[in-house]
Amino acid sequence: AQSVTQLGSHVSVSEGALVLLRCNYSSSVPPYLFWYVQYPNQGLQLLLKYTSAATLVKGINGFEAEFKKSETSFHLTKPSAHMSDAAEYFCAVSPGSTLGRLYFGRGTQLTVWP
Amino acid sequence: KAGVTQTPRYLIKTRGQQVTLSCSPISGHRSVSWYQQTPGQGLQFLFEYFSETQRNKGNFPGRFSGRQFSNSRSEMNVSTLELGDSALYLCASSRNLQGESGETQYFGPGTRLLVL
Repeated sequence: AQSVTQLGSHVSVSEGALVLLRCNYSSSVPPYLFWYVQYPNQGLQLLLKYTSAATLVKGINGFEAEFKKSETSFHLTKPSAHMSDAAEYFCAVSPGSTLGRLYFGRGTQLTVWP
Repeated sequence: KAGVTQTPRYLIKTRGQQVTLSCSPISGHRSVSWYQQTPGQGLQFLFEYFSETQRNKGNFPGRFSGRQFSNSRSEMNVSTLELGDSALYLCASSRNLQGESGETQYFGPGTRLLVL
């Protein structure tokens, strides 16, 4: 069975500080990996996607994620947090064997303090 | 290009009723997936349709059903509503031109269903 673990359901940072959101996955085959962001009362917006072309993936709004196969991790980072980054972030995996289905982590709520 | 649209955005129903939610995918997208989002269970996969055929189904009771039309628009239906069906229902579309896995899913704003 596929699973995605997001360590820390809540992360708080000061504006300008580094953002690090952790994601570990289990998959028997090399997966496709995604990070989505959800703002209040909205759907999910794609931040970035890993497709094996490069281990460091750059996304929108200054976010990037690094795929580490040995650690089965896909952590999301941003060098300097902005107030507008406050939202819930979801890591998701598509194992490659299940069409049309994403397996999501439980989400991490990011709070940014001024 | 217009994004994924879902109607209605908000819905209030009572126990025992049924409800139909609609999803219009991005133009040219042939795959539509549905998810239920609740605070307790997170994001859970309901089912996925491609070219009017259900290809994949999550672990939900038969009260949850769906269909896809020839223009790729999709509906999901929940019969005999229960209080626990209160949730945000999200649909997502992807191109899936080659029937490949790993295609990016683009999400709509969701329909928030409240069952009283």
